[in-house]
Parts: sequence; C-alpha cells; structure tokens
Amino acid sequence: AQKVTQAQTEISVVEKEDVTLDCVYETRDTTYYLFWYKQPPSGELVFLIRRNSFDEQNEISGRYSWNFQKSTSSFNFTITASQVVDSAVYFCALSERRAGNNRKLIWGLGTSLAVNP
Amino acid sequence: KAGVTQTPRYLIKTRGQQVTLSCSPISGHRSVSWYQQTPGQGLQFLFEYFSETQRNKGNFPGRFSGRQFSNSRSEMNVSTLELGDSALYLCASSSGQGSYYDEQFFGPGTRLTVL
Repeated sequence: AQKVTQAQTEISVVEKEDVTLDCVYETRDTTYYLFWYKQPPSGELVFLIRRNSFDEQNEISGRYSWNFQKSTSSFNFTITASQVVDSAVYFCALSERRAGNNRKLIWGLGTSLAVNP
Repeated sequence: KAGVTQTPRYLIKTRGQQVTLSCSPISGHRSVSWYQQTPGQGLQFLFEYFSETQRNKGNFPGRFSGRQFSNSRSEMNVSTLELGDSALYLCASSSGQGSYYDEQFFGPGTRLTVL
C-alpha cells in the first residue's frame, strides 16, 4: 500500500498565485521524519526541508511554508507568490527508523508544478 | 564545496549489454545511496553504502549491484540490460551514516536508455 500520497499529479498556476502541494502519509511508527525535495528540469533533487515527528511547528522560509499536522497525517507545502523558477516536480518523503538507525525511505510520486508567466 | 557528481550524464546501450555508473559524493560524505527514477514507478531505492559496506538494499534483481570505494566514491552496475532498465539513475550522499534523519544531497543523475 502506498504510504506517501501526493494526490495532485500536476498543478498549473499563473505567476504570483499562491499554491499548496499536499502530502498525506501513513505510518505506525511514532518516530519518523518527513522531507520535501524539489526536482527542477535539470534532474537534480534539491533538499527543501526536514521535519521530525515530534515537532509540529509550522515553518516558513521566504516564500515557502510547511504545515505539519499529525492529526491528519499531512505535511503540506505552500509557495506564496509563485514564480516561474518554482516550476519543478516536488516530492514528499517519509523516513521510518529501522534497526541501527537505518532508514526506510518512502517517496511520494511527486507533484509537477508549472508556474506560467 | 562541490556537489555530488555522476558520470556519465547520458548513456545509450542495447539489450543484453552491461553498464557501470559512477558517483562521487560531496567531500566528507561517507554515505551513498542509489535510486532509479521512472515516470511510472517514481523513485525506487536501489541500495545504500556507508564506509564501503552495503547498509541497505531495495527490491531489485541481482542484475543490479553496487560497491563503494575507500574514498567514498561509488559505482553501480547493471548486467544483461533490459528495456525496462531505461531510467534516470540518481545518486545521493549524506554527511552521516545514512540514518533515517539525514537529509540527502543528490547528483544530476545518469539518463540510461536501453534500445
């Protein structure tokens, strides 16, 4: 069963619009981490944020913000005043702890965001 | 600091051939992971190495293998290529041991096309 769901396959917005990318996850673990990565057309995934399961504080970094809600198992990502350079595929990932602090990393299928001028 | 580098960037092979892809992690990083990315399957974990030891392995057939050298550089090999092996192969490095809380830094990938 898929454990990380990014229900929006593709989103298209006009520059300066706000856009929210959804991420819903499933886990039985109490200790885990959630990540967001950006993959621009060049192909290289870029780390955006890491959040552990005990920290539900929202985070803001410039035009980017993240809303983590354990009650709904969601870790949503909002871009405010989107720009063309935000066009990319965005991945949400769940990292579960295994023996020896090894990770079991489960990736969502990604949301392709197109920001049009 | 230089990022993760992968060579070659593009590769075209025919069915039945074998291929070796190379990855140089960020200086000081000792953990290297490999992923296969395809439009239909998304990102699939292949294997992870730390200090020349394989720590973790995904569900891929034995045709896929890897290794890590003492300088942390890593190679992956695919033998007897099949059409379905066409994909973007991504390498990622971590500063830690590849623990569940470590973020990963990705290279640009090697685009493999099997004809």
